[in-house]
Amino acid sequence: GQQVMQIPQYQHVQEGEDFTTYCNSSTTLSNIQWYKQRPGGHPVFLIQLVKSGEVKKQKRLTFQFGEAKKNSSLHITATQTTDVGTYFCAGRAAGNKLTFGGGTRVLVKP
Amino acid sequence: NAGVTQTPKFRVLKTGQSMTLLCAQDMNHEYMYWYRQDPGMGLRLIHYSVGEGTTAKGEVPDGYNVSRLKKQNFLLGLESAAPSQTSVYFCASIHQGQLEAFFGQGTRLTVV
Repeated sequence: GQQVMQIPQYQHVQEGEDFTTYCNSSTTLSNIQWYKQRPGGHPVFLIQLVKSGEVKKQKRLTFQFGEAKKNSSLHITATQTTDVGTYFCAGRAAGNKLTFGGGTRVLVKP
Repeated sequence: NAGVTQTPKFRVLKTGQSMTLLCAQDMNHEYMYWYRQDPGMGLRLIHYSVGEGTTAKGEVPDGYNVSRLKKQNFLLGLESAAPSQTSVYFCASIHQGQLEAFFGQGTRLTVV
């Protein structure tokens, strides 16, 4: 079945620095979504990418969908303490099955 | 408008006991999902439903059953709880043709 993998599992970032987290699917995706889960909270939708090679920005967050529609990345610039949390990618396959990656847990050092 | 509501929020079960987790959404969403979240394992899909009266298995369905008798409710049942089912359970719903999944607040279940 479809598998979605994320790296790294943990990301320790100095406040003000940039970092990137990556998402890879074992199958071609119709679209990919990104969610953020704050500590103790529930996942909250950030964005969806649909087109091959698509790039979308939300303030300091840049999301990219790979040309083959099997991978995606999230790049955060000038990390702030408000960026703390776990970032998940999720792929939607046929039958509306929504599969999540393992997440990247982001810790920010002030 | 409450969104997605999970009941209960916390529960402690003894091994072998049964229980039902309730997920209710008031957004008229067609699709509903049950996930479990364990440290380092992300969100793993247990079962899901694409409409009233229909259910399908996810990645980790063993030991769980589900029912979707009403469009707004998705029930997750544990017939005989095991310590391996200690986890945080999240329910989510999606409106057909739209993008985002809306999540409930989660149910923290401990099986001793």
